[in-house]
Amino acid sequence: NAGVTQTPKFQVLKTGQSMTLQCAQDMNHEYMSWYRQDPGMGLRLIHYSVGAGITDQGEVPNGYNVSRSTTEDFPLRLLSAAPSQTSVYFCASSLGRQGKVNQPQHFGDGTRLSIL
Amino acid sequence: AQSVAQPEDQVNVAEGNPLTVKCTYSVSGNPYLFWYVQYPNRGLQFLLKYITGDNLVKGSYGFEAEFNKSQTSFHLKKPSALVSDSALYFCAVRADNYGQNFVFGPGTRLSVLP
Repeated sequence: NAGVTQTPKFQVLKTGQSMTLQCAQDMNHEYMSWYRQDPGMGLRLIHYSVGAGITDQGEVPNGYNVSRSTTEDFPLRLLSAAPSQTSVYFCASSLGRQGKVNQPQHFGDGTRLSIL
Repeated sequence: AQSVAQPEDQVNVAEGNPLTVKCTYSVSGNPYLFWYVQYPNRGLQFLLKYITGDNLVKGSYGFEAEFNKSQTSFHLKKPSALVSDSALYFCAVRADNYGQNFVFGPGTRLSVLP
C-alpha cells in the first residue's frame, strides 16, 4: 500500500493563479481531510469529506474548494492564490464510520506551497 | 467547542533521561485523545490514543501517555529519551459529540541532546 500520496511536493505560484493539490489514498478510507500547517499554529482543518460525494467546511475554508467524486481522491483547489495561503498542506485519511471514527489518521508527506 | 493547548513550544532533554511533553484539552463531551509525531519534511505519524479504559496508554517507540480527567491533561512520556526522538509532537482531541473532526494543538518541538 502506498498510503496517502500528495502531489506536487513543492509549488511556487504567483498571486492570482489557481492550482489543484492532489491527494489519493489506497486504503479504502471513508474520511479524508485537508489541513494547513503554519508555524506555531498547529494543523488547521480546511475541508473534509466523510465519503464520496460528501464534503464540508472546516475551520479555514475561505479561498479553497474541494470535491470527492471517488473514495480514493480528494483534490484541493486554490481558486485565486494569495500570499496568506503560503503554507504546508497535508491530506489525511481514516476509516471513518466504518472504523467507528476513532481510528488514527494517515497523513501524506505534504505539499509546500509558496505564493509570491 | 474543542481546544488543545501544548504549553511548551520547545522541550530539551538529555539522552537517557525521561521526557514529558504536555497537553491539556477542553471539550464539551467525552474526549478522544491522540498523539502524533512529525519528522522533518514528513507528514504526521500516529503514536498512541486514548479512547476509554486504562488511563495509562502505551504506544509506538516506547512512548506512553497518561489521561487525567480531573486535570484535563494527556501528557506524553518516555522513560529514556533517544536522540532519534527529536521531532515535532502534536496532541489532538475529538469529543464524542462532535462528529469526526479533530482539533490539533500547536505542537511541541522536542530536542534530545547527546
